[in-house]
Amino acid sequence: GAVVSQHPSWVICKSGTSVKIECRSLDFQATTMFWYRQFPKQSLMLMATSNEGSKATYEQGVEKDKFLINHASLTLSTLTVTSAHPEDSSFYICSARDSATGFSGYTFGSGTRLTVV
Amino acid sequence: AQSVTQPDIHITVSEGASLELRCNYSYGATPYLFWYVQSPGQGLQLLLKYFSGDTLVQGIKGFEAEFKRSQSSFNLRKPSVHWSDAAEYFCVLNRDDKIIFGKGTRLHILP
Repeated sequence: GAVVSQHPSWVICKSGTSVKIECRSLDFQATTMFWYRQFPKQSLMLMATSNEGSKATYEQGVEKDKFLINHASLTLSTLTVTSAHPEDSSFYICSARDSATGFSGYTFGSGTRLTVV
Repeated sequence: AQSVTQPDIHITVSEGASLELRCNYSYGATPYLFWYVQSPGQGLQLLLKYFSGDTLVQGIKGFEAEFKRSQSSFNLRKPSVHWSDAAEYFCVLNRDDKIIFGKGTRLHILP
């Protein structure tokens, strides 16, 4: 079945540095990918919708200059947290839609735990 | 093994009929369970969640879910569906940085 690989699964970085998270569809093409963020005991919050070959659409309140999303190919989307601060520490997860199977083809990555110290 | 199973890939109900979407989980401790809905081209929207306490959880849009530990289930229900409920529904287990998604159930509504 469709598999989404998210890497790294956890990362610790120093305040002020940038961190890149990859979301890769392993055996299907994904024209659309979603990036979510989750705080402890909270629901997933949609950050942005990423469409291959075009600019990502960010949700209200999400700083696009801070959370850079690149969806340069049909199998890879990246989220870069720039100039990270401790308040950016969170759990980030992506999902990708299998373009071939249509609407029911959403698959989720296993998430990335970011800790900024 | 830790898992979330949504046994029904597709479900079709008539508008106004009742709905139950099944979700079974396997987890070593008390899980935190969520139901999300996803409409075409949209991101996930939280319907309801269970952490502890009352096992019958009320959510938005008239949905409710019941946590049954003995059956390892967290089924989603709605007494009367509307055409706008047609979407994909995901049951999610999330605890201690472990997040496991069910495969989703696609709900179709007949007029």
